[in-house]
Amino acid sequence: AQSVAQPEDQVNVAEGNPLTVKCTYSVSGNPYLFWYVQYPNRGLQFLLKYITGDNLVKGSYGFEAEFNKSQTSFHLKKPSALVSDSALYFCAVRPPGDNFNKFYFGSGTKLNVKP
Amino acid sequence: DTGVSQDPRHKITKRGQNVTFRCDPISEHNRLYWYRQTLGQGPEFLTYFQNEAQLEKSRLLSDRFSAERPKGSFSTLEIQRTEQGDSAMYLCASSPRVDTQYFGPGTRLTVL
Repeated sequence: AQSVAQPEDQVNVAEGNPLTVKCTYSVSGNPYLFWYVQYPNRGLQFLLKYITGDNLVKGSYGFEAEFNKSQTSFHLKKPSALVSDSALYFCAVRPPGDNFNKFYFGSGTKLNVKP
Repeated sequence: DTGVSQDPRHKITKRGQNVTFRCDPISEHNRLYWYRQTLGQGPEFLTYFQNEAQLEKSRLLSDRFSAERPKGSFSTLEIQRTEQGDSAMYLCASSPRVDTQYFGPGTRLTVL
């Protein structure tokens, strides 16, 4: 069964400090991996994706993520957090060979950036 | 704005009533998805259209739920005889290929 785990319900960081939001997945083969951000009462906004190639991918708003195949992880990172980064973050996986492009989402991690 | 749009943004209804939501995808996207998101959870897949064909439905999509995408453009999701457990955010997404999905703002349903 396909699954995505975000082990932390909440992450607290001070503004200016680096942040990491963790994601691990359980999918056989080489999946597509995505990060989305959700602000209150809004839909999901695409941040970045890993399809193939360089394990470090860069996305919107200064975010980046590192794909680690051996650890089946795709952690989201940012070198210097902003208060405006406070939101709900979701990791998603699309299993390989899924012609329907069905995404499986984690349960989300609430990021709190304090001034 | 050329993003995915959904209407209405909020819907409050009484138990037993029928409701219908609309999604307008990004115009060149032939793939359209419906998800349901409950509080504290990530979105859960409901159904998928490629053009006008509904190609996959989740077991979450009970017989009270039906979705259509006439002419391969906008889509509607109807819930008949709503129950309190149907209260959730209903999200629509579209994609041009087997890749990134772009989400609309969602329709928040409250069943009293």
